[in-house]
Amino acid sequence: EDQVTQSPEALRLQEGESSSLNCSYTVSGLRGLFWYRQDPGKGPEFLFTLYSAGEEKEKERLKATLTKKESFLHITAPKPEDSATYLCAVQADLDMRFGAGTRLTVKP
Amino acid sequence: EAQVTQNPRYLITVTGKKLTVTCSQNMNHEYMSWYRQDPGLGLRQIYYSMNVEVTDKGDVPEGYKVSRKEKRNFPLILESPSPNQTSLYFCASSLAPMRSYTDTQYFGPGTRLTVL
Repeated sequence: EDQVTQSPEALRLQEGESSSLNCSYTVSGLRGLFWYRQDPGKGPEFLFTLYSAGEEKEKERLKATLTKKESFLHITAPKPEDSATYLCAVQADLDMRFGAGTRLTVKP
Repeated sequence: EAQVTQNPRYLITVTGKKLTVTCSQNMNHEYMSWYRQDPGLGLRQIYYSMNVEVTDKGDVPEGYKVSRKEKRNFPLILESPSPNQTSLYFCASSLAPMRSYTDTQYFGPGTRLTVL
C-alpha cells in the first residue's frame, strides 16, 4: 500500500537555526512529489513539485530535494514567518496521498 | 482573482440531516478533488473528478457523494452525516493531471464541519 511518512511531527527552531524536514514514501510509479505549506485555518499553499530522483528546487529560504525513497525540505536561516505546517504529498496515478505534516515553529 | 471557493466555511449540524458543501473554481481546471483533514492523519482524499460527469473514489469515500455537472463546480454531499464525519474539508483543483504529467493542486479555504 502507498504510504507517506513525515518526520518529525513537530520542530521548534530558533530564528536563524537551519534544519531539514523529511518525507519518506513507498509508492509504485511515482509521478510527482509535492510540498505544501499550511497556515492555521487555511488551505495548503503549493511550494514545490519534484518529479525524479536527484531533482532540487529552491524558493527563498526553502530547498526541496528528492531521492528514490524520500524527500527533504531544507530550511536555511528560518524566520518566525516560516512557522507553519509543511505537508508532503505523492501522486502515483490520479489520486494524491498526503503525509500527516510537520509543524514548524520558529522562535525569534 | 484565480481561486477555489467553498461554502459554507463553518457548519454545525445534527446526525442524519443531509447537507451539501459547495466548491467552485474559476480557473477552468479539469481536475477537482475533495479531502478531509483530521489531526494526526493528514489530508485524505474522499473523491476526485477528472472532468464533467467523471468521478472516482479516493481513500475514504464511505458516507459521501459528489457530482460534477459543470466544470467549475464540485459539490460534496453528506446524505446522512454522522459524528465521525466531523472534520475539516478542503476542495482542490488542478489544470489537468493527465497520465503523462502531474499538476499542481490549488486548495480552497476549507469548511469546518461539526456533526452532533
